[in-house]
Amino acid sequence: GESVGLHLPTLSVQEGDNSIINCAYSNSASDYFIWYKQESGKGPQFIIDIRSNMDKRQGQRVTVLLNKTVKHLSLQIAATQPGDSAVYFCAGISGYSTLTFGKGTMLLVSP
Amino acid sequence: DAGVTQSPTHLIKTRGQQVTLRCSPISGHKSVSWYQQVLGQGPQFIFQYYEKEERGRGNFPDRFSARQFPNYSSELNVNALLLGDSALYLCASSLGQGQETQYFGPGTRLLVL
Repeated sequence: GESVGLHLPTLSVQEGDNSIINCAYSNSASDYFIWYKQESGKGPQFIIDIRSNMDKRQGQRVTVLLNKTVKHLSLQIAATQPGDSAVYFCAGISGYSTLTFGKGTMLLVSP
Repeated sequence: DAGVTQSPTHLIKTRGQQVTLRCSPISGHKSVSWYQQVLGQGPQFIFQYYEKEERGRGNFPDRFSARQFPNYSSELNVNALLLGDSALYLCASSLGQGQETQYFGPGTRLLVL
């Protein structure tokens, strides 16, 4: 079955730096990916999504890159702020929007 | 507009008991999915419902069941609770029109003693 995993469990950055969170997926049949942010005690919050016919998508301060050749996703956060501190998950979609999540990366932003 | 709502927010049960968790989707969304999130891990898919019909099921025992009502709200039931069922139970809703974003509620934190 599909698995979606992350390379780094914890990422510590300084406020104002750019952050890059990486994710690998194993099921090449997945053609839709979503990044979620989860703060302590809350449900996952949608950040940005990307379909497999794209290799880049930009949002407000965030960019997702998709490399289908090596089955790799990344989330770039520009000018990271303390409020960005959270656990970030990538999730691949299969079937009728069934999400498969990785373990998550904790982003710690120091002022 | 209100997002996905879940009740209760917290729950404490003992082994062997039964629990019912509730979810109301975003207005206009017809699909509801349930996920279990154990501390330190990503959410694991349990069920997906669309128009009151089960559309998908994850690798969970038959002690887990769910249903969806005509107003698209949903309940997750877990029987014969085990200590390992302690987790955050998340509900997510989507339009139900194919591969699309799911929006999550705040979750119900279940502790089994």
